[in-house]
Amino acid sequence: GAGVSQSPSNKVTEKGKDVELRCDPISGHTALYWYRQSLGQGLEFLIYFQGNSAPDKSGLPSDRFSAERTGGSVSTLTIQRTQQEDSAVYLCASQGMGAKNIQYFGAGTRLSVL
Amino acid sequence: QQPVQSPQAVILREGEDAVINCSSSKALYSVHWYRQKHGEAPVFLMILLKGGEQKGHEKISASFNEKKQQSSLYLTASQLSYSGTYFCGPDSNYQLIWGAGTKLIIKP
Repeated sequence: GAGVSQSPSNKVTEKGKDVELRCDPISGHTALYWYRQSLGQGLEFLIYFQGNSAPDKSGLPSDRFSAERTGGSVSTLTIQRTQQEDSAVYLCASQGMGAKNIQYFGAGTRLSVL
Repeated sequence: QQPVQSPQAVILREGEDAVINCSSSKALYSVHWYRQKHGEAPVFLMILLKGGEQKGHEKISASFNEKKQQSSLYLTASQLSYSGTYFCGPDSNYQLIWGAGTKLIIKP
């Protein structure tokens, strides 16, 4: 596609439920990042995928968070047993090869945990 | 390890100038600047590579001093469209480490 696509744009869930957030990167981009942004805050790195390499999961805040990237393209971020502190905007960014780490962001998924 | 951005926020009148600074404790390969308007995704503005080069975008320019591990963003004759939060992303490896952001408010 022309840009990074994220779905859903908004998600409201109840505490304890699982949620899945999806990211469609720009076609051909080998790197994909997930970030979390709480209201008025900066970008908190969650996880990084690069090609077929093992992902860098160092930013995942707990084992309730996991992410997959299938076929080197679409990625899904899963949050199990959601908590109210998980409420935030989850941003996905993709990056092409040799692109000096320039990242292209999706519009994000706003997650609200009630 | 997070780079330090200053100021945290700045309010300008349209047409005024501003400087946003970004300092890192780690050696840098490059520095990226992004702008995020309210409710939108961050958008890439410019990248500065080693060599102290300056880049420009509209009337926004930036400098990078790799010895001091610092970068500054200069906004000249600010326009209403410049409002938003500016993030620096020093690149110390394959990954950007983002600053907390500087919120810029432009008033008419």
